[in-house]
Amino acid sequence: EVQLVESGGGLVQPGRSLRLSCAASGFSFDIYAMHWVRQAPGRGLEWVSGISWNSGTVDYADSVKGRFSISRDNTKNSLYLQMNSLRPEDTALYYCAKVDQWLGYFDSWGQGALVTVSS
Amino acid sequence: EIVLTQSPGTLSLSPGERVTLSCRASQSVSSSDLAWYQQKPGQAPRLLIYDASSRATGIPDRFSGSGSGTDFTLTISRLEPEDFAVYYCQQYGSSPRTFGQGTKVEIK
Repeated sequence: EVQLVESGGGLVQPGRSLRLSCAASGFSFDIYAMHWVRQAPGRGLEWVSGISWNSGTVDYADSVKGRFSISRDNTKNSLYLQMNSLRPEDTALYYCAKVDQWLGYFDSWGQGALVTVSS
Repeated sequence: EIVLTQSPGTLSLSPGERVTLSCRASQSVSSSDLAWYQQKPGQAPRLLIYDASSRATGIPDRFSGSGSGTDFTLTISRLEPEDFAVYYCQQYGSSPRTFGQGTKVEIK
């Protein structure tokens, strides 16, 4: 069974940094692309960033480009999202999601990590 | 960027009714690369339909998807109590991957 468990969320002041992690199990992590999707409180879903199986290709939404950095460690079955220069509008539940291929649908989701950006 | 517009915003229905949800794209979606997700309060989204019309593993056959190009539909043939939720469409044929704003199906 696929399991994705996010961690690292919390309350952070505007302009500061935070790093999210996603621990994967139940599948061959090193052959699948992975993504981050976020959901602001009471709002819809927004794709944030994705990374290919070998980290050779990364992609970002315009709203986070230049501030967020996605990475992975296939030896640890882990996905990361380094978030710098955080803004109040980054406040959201951040989901880790698995795809079947680079341009693919999100077939498995974690339960999310809540990031709150506020002074 | 492909903008997805879902309609209606909210549907108030009774168990047993048939539901049709619409998702319209601002430009043609590549190769019918469109998915539907269900989200219940406090839960992560769950994949229902991919490639516009293929049911994900374990999804009951009362859920069906159709459409191509710019117009897509999710149909629930007969609403069960557990189907009251928010439904999102999403295109994954081009970057950025985009979602519709969601349709809430609530109990009448």
